[in-house]
Amino acid sequence: SQTIHQWPATLVQPVGSPLSLECTVEGTSNPNLYWYRQAAGRGLQLLFYSVGIGQISSEVPQNLSASRPQDRQFILSSKKLLLSDSGFYLCAWSVSGEQYFGPGTRLTVT
Amino acid sequence: AQSVTQPDIHITVSEGASLELRCNYSYGATPYLFWYVQSPGQGLQLLLKYFSGDTLVQGIKGFEAEFKRSQSSFNLRKPSVHWSDAAEYFCAVGASNGYDMRFGAGTRLTVKP
Repeated sequence: SQTIHQWPATLVQPVGSPLSLECTVEGTSNPNLYWYRQAAGRGLQLLFYSVGIGQISSEVPQNLSASRPQDRQFILSSKKLLLSDSGFYLCAWSVSGEQYFGPGTRLTVT
Repeated sequence: AQSVTQPDIHITVSEGASLELRCNYSYGATPYLFWYVQSPGQGLQLLLKYFSGDTLVQGIKGFEAEFKRSQSSFNLRKPSVHWSDAAEYFCAVGASNGYDMRFGAGTRLTVKP
C-alpha cells in the first residue's frame, strides 16, 4: 500500500531563516505531487505541484520554492522566511483523480 | 474556473442526530467530486469520491454523498453522528488528472454529547 511521509512534524523558525520541508511517497511510481498551505482556520491553498522529476508548477508567486530531485521526493524551501509563512503545510500525491495527504508540518515563524 | 462553496462554516449537532454538510461547485466539465475530513493537527483523509455512475456514493465511516447535477451540489450525509466525527470537512472538485483540484473553505463539525 502507499504511504506518504512528511518531516519535520513541527518547526519553529525565526524570520529570515531558511526552510526545508521534505515529503516522500512509498508504494507508487511517478505520482503527481503537491504542496499546500493551510493558514489557521482557513482552507487549503495550493502552492506547487509536480508531474515528474524536475517539473514544478507554481500556483502562487511568493518566497517559497519547490524541487523534485527524485520520483517520490518533494521538497519545499525558502531562503528567507517571513512571518506570513507560518501555517500548516501539507504534501499530497495522486496518480489519478483523488489526492492523498501526508500528516503535515506545522511551521511557526517567530 | 472551478470553485467550491461550503455555505456553513460551523455546524453543531447532537450525538446520534443526522448530519448533512452542504457543498456547491462550479465546474466547466463533468466534475470529479470529493469529501475529505481533517482532525485537528492532522492531514486530510479521503471520505468518498464521485467520478461517474450512481449519483449516491458510499464512503468510509458511514458517510454518503449525493451528486445532483441540476443543483451543482454534492452534499455529505450521515444518519447518526458519533462524537468521533467532530472534525473539519472539506469538499473538493477536480479533474481526472488529479492536479486541478479546488477545495472549499471547510465546515467545522462540533458534536454535542
